[in-house]
Amino acid sequence: KNQVEQSPQSLIILEGKNCTLQCNYTVSPFSNLRWYKQDTGRGPVSLTIMTFSENTKSNGRYTATLDADTKQSSLHITASQLSDSASYICVLYSSASKIIFGSGTRLSIRP
Amino acid sequence: DAMVIQNPRYQVTQFGKPVTLSCSQTLNHNVMYWYQQKSSQAPKLLFHYYDKDFNNEADTPDNFQSRRPNTSFCFLDIRSPGLGDAAMYLCATSRDLEMVRERVYEQYFGPGTRLTVT
Repeated sequence: KNQVEQSPQSLIILEGKNCTLQCNYTVSPFSNLRWYKQDTGRGPVSLTIMTFSENTKSNGRYTATLDADTKQSSLHITASQLSDSASYICVLYSSASKIIFGSGTRLSIRP
Repeated sequence: DAMVIQNPRYQVTQFGKPVTLSCSQTLNHNVMYWYQQKSSQAPKLLFHYYDKDFNNEADTPDNFQSRRPNTSFCFLDIRSPGLGDAAMYLCATSRDLEMVRERVYEQYFGPGTRLTVT
């Protein structure tokens, strides 16, 4: 069983709509949780970084939440744009300096 | 003002022919990482350097080697590429390791090198 699981695997929404991506994890304890955006053929780019004590972090139209009790994180994208089409990866940095990647959600925005 | 640079962006090599991928950084970060990412999969850490200290992941094949001649440059050498080594190879840096300073250090990724093995 993966230590970091993301859902859905892929998602298609219309431009302008909102969406929420999920990340469930079993890693404990951990130092911080990060969401990355990876455009096709490019390296991941950091969107948000949350320590285990934070509940929410925003970066423009991206808002990440963290619930340490349920071991869930979500990434909410508001007013989606065509440029939001990418893979979104949830990554946990464990307290043992281990970096654990989720397999990502492939988001496609349709005009 | 590129911060993590990978060359080449696309590399084609023949089965069994050694190949070297390069990464350079302008951030003066202590840590450099190499990841392998296959299609629709999460990046998989191969190894990292903390300064000159080399740290190999337990399941990284012996076919993969790395060199870091100075702070700015790090190389990934694949001694005898197989068809299964075709992938995107990502280089990343961070100022420090999490546990060393008990702080959060952002990881910066390069654009990747797409390796094709024929």
